[in-house]
Amino acid sequence: GQNIDQPTEMTATEGAIVQINCTYQTSGFNGLFWYQQHAGEAPTFLSYNVLDGLEEKGRFSSFLSRSKGYSYLLLKELQMKDSASYLCALRQAGTALIFGKGTTLSVSS
Amino acid sequence: GAVVSQHPSRVICKSGTSVKIECRSLDFQATTMFWYRQFPKQSLMLMATSNEGSKATYEQGVEKDKFLINHASLTLSTLTVTSAHPEDSSFYICSARDPGGGTQYFGPGTRLTVL
Repeated sequence: GQNIDQPTEMTATEGAIVQINCTYQTSGFNGLFWYQQHAGEAPTFLSYNVLDGLEEKGRFSSFLSRSKGYSYLLLKELQMKDSASYLCALRQAGTALIFGKGTTLSVSS
Repeated sequence: GAVVSQHPSRVICKSGTSVKIECRSLDFQATTMFWYRQFPKQSLMLMATSNEGSKATYEQGVEKDKFLINHASLTLSTLTVTSAHPEDSSFYICSARDPGGGTQYFGPGTRLTVL
């Protein structure tokens, strides 16, 4: 089985940096994904880590430590449009993604 | 990124009727597609894995006779909610894995409301 934990809610201000943590336990690991989901919409892909280290894509970066069962998503230069839910998802040896409960980020001006 | 479409985007039906939702991968072939369900303020729950040319694999607790899945081609999977009831009202989202890059892309979702 697997277990994924991430904070339920976070708040931040425009222009700031926010780090959303995700810890997991799994019997098999084949990648960790981060998705963004706005209310009423489907998730959109942000990043994917399968090896330890940092992956950077513009204002978004994601980090993975497999030995610690830990990942984080780093959002820089926050904008109001970044207010959304951020979902951490695991892929095991199979191909389906298993999602955490998501972190709702509220960005204020 | 790869594009996955879903149809319809929204459906309202009466209790007891059946509803079919289509999921298409538009620019790649997907031997495997996935169906998720999301209730308000909750995360996505995997319902089943749809395999082209073979039977779907259902997650524990998901009734295979109620949620019929057909993956007849490499670009189309359908989910039919049979004899829908109000408790089936939810946001149904399909996804497909890009065989080249391994990333899983999601369709825009179908909001089902059963009256």
